[in-house]
Amino acid sequence: AQSVTQLGSHVSVSEGALVLLRCNYSSSVPPYLFWYVQYPNQGLQLLLKYTSAATLVKGINGFEAEFKKSETSFHLTKPSAHMSDAAEYFCAVIPRGGNNRLAFGKGNQVVVIP
Amino acid sequence: DAGVTQSPTHLIKTRGQHVTLRCSPISGHKSVSWYQQVLGQGPQFIFQYYEKEERGRGNFPDRFSARQFPNYSSELNVNALLLGDSALYLCASSLSGGGDTQYFGPGTRLTVL
Repeated sequence: AQSVTQLGSHVSVSEGALVLLRCNYSSSVPPYLFWYVQYPNQGLQLLLKYTSAATLVKGINGFEAEFKKSETSFHLTKPSAHMSDAAEYFCAVIPRGGNNRLAFGKGNQVVVIP
Repeated sequence: DAGVTQSPTHLIKTRGQHVTLRCSPISGHKSVSWYQQVLGQGPQFIFQYYEKEERGRGNFPDRFSARQFPNYSSELNVNALLLGDSALYLCASSLSGGGDTQYFGPGTRLTVL
């Protein structure tokens, strides 16, 4: 079964600093890859999705992620953190040619320090 | 356009009771999936329905069931509630299946006392 690893449940970043959240997947065939954000007491909002068109994927709110097959990674970055970026971030995968069930990582709770 | 809607927003039940959660997908979307999110964890897949047929089931007991209606809305039913069923239940819709982006509703917060 597909699995997703997100290290470091809590991530603290200073306002204006780089945000880097790491995601690694476990499969020999690269899956569909997603990053979702969840604000307190809300559902999940799609930040970006990797299909196969480009390895650097740009999303909403200034976020982007780079797919690296050799590292089985899909790390999420934002050059300059804003206070509004405080939320929980989930990496998720769907295997290609299979069902449509998302498998999520455990999430990263991002705290932005003023 | 309206997004995915879920009802109710919050629900409090006692152990042993039954609960029904409802979801309306984005217009034009034919697939609905259900996820359970326990506090502090990532969502876990429960069911997927496409064109009113079950297309996938996660590792949940038979107390959990679901169905999809001709208008593509969906219900999730949980019988004989346990304390451990307390969670945020998320519904997601997509155009079809096979890697389509899933759009999530705000969720239903279920508390079992």
